[in-house]
Amino acid sequence: GEQVEQLPSILRVQEGSSASINCTYENSASNYFPWYKQEPGENPKLIIDIRSNMERKQTQGLIVLLDKKAKRFSLHITDTQPGDSAMYFCAASDTNTGKLTFGDGTVLTVKP
Amino acid sequence: EAGVTQSPRYAVLQEGQAVSFWCDPISGHDTLYWYQQPRDQGPQLLVYFRDEAVIDNSQLPSDRFSAVRPKGTNSTLKIQSAKQGDTATYLCASSFGTANERLFFGHGTKLSVL
Repeated sequence: GEQVEQLPSILRVQEGSSASINCTYENSASNYFPWYKQEPGENPKLIIDIRSNMERKQTQGLIVLLDKKAKRFSLHITDTQPGDSAMYFCAASDTNTGKLTFGDGTVLTVKP
Repeated sequence: EAGVTQSPRYAVLQEGQAVSFWCDPISGHDTLYWYQQPRDQGPQLLVYFRDEAVIDNSQLPSDRFSAVRPKGTNSTLKIQSAKQGDTATYLCASSFGTANERLFFGHGTKLSVL
């Protein structure tokens, strides 16, 4: 099966700076990589995703990079705001089974 | 458009008791997933269905957990004889179509087993 490692587990940044979260995966058959944001007591919400036919995707202050050779993908949040404080999860989906495997999450705190 | 609906929102049990969780996916979504999310960890897949068929239940503890989706719409996840280690949030998610489509999660059921 797939294994997804996510780092760091805790990330504290100053408001207005950028934040980066990195994930690696093992299964070369994985071809879909979503990112979810989860606030306390809430469900995970999809914020951005990237498929293996792309290397970069950007939307509303979020940038996702995918390096298929290195089996690595990352989320970059530019100009962070206190409202960005939450748990963030990366995930990888196996094209053969459709199973989505999650990393263990990053707790992001944006300090005013 | 209504999202994924789950009930109950919370459940508190003694060890050995049984509990059922219910999920109503987004209308038209043929694929339904049950995930277990322990505190401060990522969601871990238990089982998923396409229509009424179980596609993968390899991570479902079959001796105490069961899941059904008889008409290919709503689904029920049941735990017989709960253990303290089952304490977690149980998330239901749905998607439309085949592999690698976007999953949408419900709010989950937060289970505490004392």
